[in-house]
Amino acid sequence: QQQVKQSPQSLIVQKGGISIINCAYENTAFDYFPWYQQFPGKGPALLIAIRPDVSEKKEGRFTISFNKSAKQFSLHIMDSQPGDSATYFCAASMHQGAQKLVFGQGTRLTINP
Amino acid sequence: NAGVTQTPKFRVLKTGQSMTLLCAQDMNHEYMYWYRQDPGMGLRLIHYSVGEGTTAKGEVPDGYNVSRLKKQNFLLGLESAAPSQTSVYFCASRTGGGDEQFFGPGTRLTVL
Repeated sequence: QQQVKQSPQSLIVQKGGISIINCAYENTAFDYFPWYQQFPGKGPALLIAIRPDVSEKKEGRFTISFNKSAKQFSLHIMDSQPGDSATYFCAASMHQGAQKLVFGQGTRLTINP
Repeated sequence: NAGVTQTPKFRVLKTGQSMTLLCAQDMNHEYMYWYRQDPGMGLRLIHYSVGEGTTAKGEVPDGYNVSRLKKQNFLLGLESAAPSQTSVYFCASRTGGGDEQFFGPGTRLTVL
């Protein structure tokens, strides 16, 4: 079953705009929520991650917002650039132990110049 | 430091053939993982290992076997390939004290 649902499937944003990707999870035992960025022909790479003890985490132009009661989290990319064009995956797991990540379906982001 | 490497990069098999995918990491990581990536389904965990000599099933283990005889290597085997196993396979590794999983470049497998 898909325990992490991601939307939208694809997203087109103008350069300089804000890109927003949303994820919802079901398992309340999850306590680690990373976002991975993947360029064509490459493996995913960790972009930013959050634990549920905070509601927001910002690293440069990338921000994760986390809503524990709604079991939702989102990625915001400010001042989006053509180089941000990639596929983004949210994921969730329990932090302790083997960290078996459950991934969302992915969002293909295109930033138009 | 090569990070996580995967061999081969591409492979075409016929139904019923067998093959082994090799993952190697030079970061002395304890944890290693095998995922498959299919369009519209994200990445799904096949098998994982928490240390040398250990393996465990993930979300979609059927049709695959794994071995971790050496800490730096994690092998994924397909004994009798099926068209449903056409996918891109990614290996990842992680240190026991960290959160980040480091991914390899992937192996694109086609089963005819």
